[in-house]
Formats: sequence, structure tokens, C-alpha cells
Amino acid sequence: EAGVVQSPRYKIIEKKQPVAFWCNPISGHNTLYWYLQNLGQGPELLIRYENEEAVDDSQLPKDRFSAERLKGVDSTLKIQPAELGDSAVYLCASRVAPGYNEQFFGPGTRLTVL
Amino acid sequence: AQSVSQHNHHVILSEAASLELGCNYSYGGTVNLFWYVQYPGQHLQLLLKYFSGDPLVKGIKGFEAEFIKSKFSFNLRKPSVQWSDTAEYFCAVNANDYKLSFGAGTTVTVRA
Repeated sequence: EAGVVQSPRYKIIEKKQPVAFWCNPISGHNTLYWYLQNLGQGPELLIRYENEEAVDDSQLPKDRFSAERLKGVDSTLKIQPAELGDSAVYLCASRVAPGYNEQFFGPGTRLTVL
Repeated sequence: AQSVSQHNHHVILSEAASLELGCNYSYGGTVNLFWYVQYPGQHLQLLLKYFSGDPLVKGIKGFEAEFIKSKFSFNLRKPSVQWSDTAEYFCAVNANDYKLSFGAGTTVTVRA
């Protein structure tokens, strides 16, 4: 069974530039999460999708961050414009459905903003 | 809001030594508890989990954890570590079905 796929694995951009991250969850997993992990800290939830619906985006900085999961499968997280403080690892995770509490994580995208 | 506290930021020990990592959470209701591990250059992997039943749970690679409800703790243990256990370890708590709250992580360095 393929795991959660994320791309790119690494991204270096200059501040004020846009950037996008892509995630393909495990096949059949209805719930998709985007997490932010700063250096030396644990992951923090940005947004959760149940199928194509964003059911919790309370932690997503909506002035510059956006996300979509149009067909309820893969998802894109975008930052526009990027700031120096956005340098971090962006993790995607998925789970089967509500009630199944184990989440499976992708390798993450390490973003460096110069 | 729920929070998770991991007691040690960095632990250094020799091979064959015993390991115990502390984890405390602040939530009074029913919780699901997890330990995740992140080996250098790899993604987060589930080490073990507790949902209900026997409070002593066994995970992969010889790890175990004990849930002590009265102490709001879920400490991770391994009796004899190996060099390959060098990694970052995260405790996580799920208190409302979907949201995982993570601790800050503990970096474990095992010296050969």
C-alpha cells in the first residue's frame, strides 16, 4: 500500500514569492490534514478536510494561506506571498474516516524562505 | 484547550541503556494517546497507540508505553536501546476524534 505522497520534498524561495505544496493521501482515506512543523516543535494542525469539505481551518492564516481538495482526493496548500517566518516543514496526513483515529503522515515539504 | 508536555528536549544515552520518555497531557475526558517516531530523514511513523483496555501497550521495535489516567501521563519506555533508535519522538493526544495535539518532541541520541 502506497503511503501519503507529498511534493516537492524541498523548496527554497525568496520572500514575497508564492509557493504551493501538493499531497496525495492514502487511497480510500477520506480525511486529509495539513500540519505545520517548526524546528524543534511538534506538528500543529492547519486545516482538516473530510472529503472535499474543509471542516476545520481555524488555524489557517487566511490572509496568505489557502488550501483546496477539489475532488476529495489530493490537496494543494498555497502560500502567497511567503514570509521569512513561513520557513518550516509542511506535513500532510490522512486517515480512513472519522472514528478511525490513526493518522498516517507523508514525508513533508521543507520550505526555506530567503 | 488540550496541551501535551514532553519532559525532555534531548536525551543522550549509550547502547543497551534503558530509555524512558515522559509525556503528560491536560485534558480531563476520554483520550486516545500516541507515540510517533521520526528517524533522521524519514517521515513520522506510529510507534504505538492507546485507545482503551490494558494501560500497558506494546509497540514496534521493543517499545512500550504505560497510560496512567490519574497522572495524565503516557510515558514511553524501552529496556535496552540500540544505535538505530536515534530519532525524534513525539507524544500526541487525540481528545475529540480528529485533532491530534503533539508535544514538542524529544530528540534521542544513542551512542554506539
